[in-house]
Amino acid sequence: DTGVSQNPRHKITKRGQNVTFRCDPISEHNRLYWYRQTLGQGPEFLTYFQNEAQLEKSRLLSDRFSAERPKGSFSTLEIQRTEQGDSAMYLCASSLVQARLTDTQYFGPGTRLTVL
Amino acid sequence: KQEVTQIPAALSVPEGENLVLNCSFTDSAIYNLQWFRQDPGKGLTSLLLIQSSQREQTSGRLNASLDKSSGRSTLYIAASQPGDSATYLCAVRPGAAGNKLTFGGGTRVLVKP
Repeated sequence: DTGVSQNPRHKITKRGQNVTFRCDPISEHNRLYWYRQTLGQGPEFLTYFQNEAQLEKSRLLSDRFSAERPKGSFSTLEIQRTEQGDSAMYLCASSLVQARLTDTQYFGPGTRLTVL
Repeated sequence: KQEVTQIPAALSVPEGENLVLNCSFTDSAIYNLQWFRQDPGKGLTSLLLIQSSQREQTSGRLNASLDKSSGRSTLYIAASQPGDSATYLCAVRPGAAGNKLTFGGGTRVLVKP
């Protein structure tokens, strides 16, 4: 069990550029979540996947944001035409859902995005 | 809409003192509540998870209580150490079928040697 990993850890980009982040969940976990955290605030839910299906998206996820989990393993989060307001820490979490058992979300180290 | 509040936003205590961190939530229909620790610039580490049917959970120097009817949880850290300095976040899960966590803003703790 190597934990949830995220790459890159830091990304600096210019306004208007596209960026893509990757999350590798714990290997047997079937759920994967994306959260966004701005400075001094708690994380806010963006979206989650069960296997390869994206089951819920927050209103925070504008049409410039897209997330995929094509094979039910790793996930990517892409932001198109970045804006300064997109600057935040993007956190990924994964969990294993089994019948009648509580699934605990395990978080990765995050990707810190700075939009200049 | 569920709202989670943590007061105070920051706390500074001398080493050895017990820490008491508060979390309140507006909708008592929760499935569970979780406390996390976050070090600067890092991800979240789960500390304790309390099911809605439970009153408290303990792990080492940490004890978390839950009063669902009043919408409150408290995290106690006994005999604080400088290594306990971090931001502590609480998060609630709305239901067995609900998946997203709703977080409070966190309490930033500094334990002075």
